[in-house]
Amino acid sequence: TQLLEQSPQFLSIQEGENLTVYCNSSSVFSSLQWYRQEPGEGPVLLVTVVTGGEVKKLKRLTFQFGDARKDSSLHITAAQPGDTGLYLCAGTSGTYKYIFGTGTRLKVLA
Amino acid sequence: NAGVTQTPKFRILKIGQSMTLQCAQDMNHNYMYWYRQDPGMGLKLIYYSVGAGITDKGEVPNGYNVSRSTTEDFPLRLELAAPSQTSVYFCASSHGGQGLYEQYFGPGTRLTVT
Repeated sequence: TQLLEQSPQFLSIQEGENLTVYCNSSSVFSSLQWYRQEPGEGPVLLVTVVTGGEVKKLKRLTFQFGDARKDSSLHITAAQPGDTGLYLCAGTSGTYKYIFGTGTRLKVLA
Repeated sequence: NAGVTQTPKFRILKIGQSMTLQCAQDMNHNYMYWYRQDPGMGLKLIYYSVGAGITDKGEVPNGYNVSRSTTEDFPLRLELAAPSQTSVYFCASSHGGQGLYEQYFGPGTRLTVT
């Protein structure tokens, strides 16, 4: 069974701080996606990474796919209250089935 | 475009009752998915479909059934509801599969079984 574990589970930081969220597995994934979910809504895609070692930037968010395609990280620079939400990674092994991570709940305090 | 729509938004069921959660998308996506999300957790795949008439099981299919008679609609049926099925249910669709395409999610259905 493929599992994606995220750490930390919860993170509460002050506005302007930097943070990194991790998504780890013992399995290889052909692609990995990061989503953000706000209360009462469905997840919204932030990025898709497909190549080992790939780095993608989305404004203050930097995503990296591990060289072996078993892990990924999300780094946020100068966090803002608007970054508050549940961050989910989701991987697939080239099938139609997505495995979602356990989630990291981020709260950014003004 | 309305995107992915789900009805109802909230529902309380008694143990043993049945219901159908409705999901529709207007983006002409072939791929559709049903997930459940337990409090504070990630999403678990219940069933998915790669086109009209084609469905397959995900991680947690027991207690659920699906059908896909049209491209637009992908209803999820709960038979004999149990407290363990208390969860938030999300329907999603995507243009393609294999992890390369964005999944568009509906707003969810919050189900309580008592």
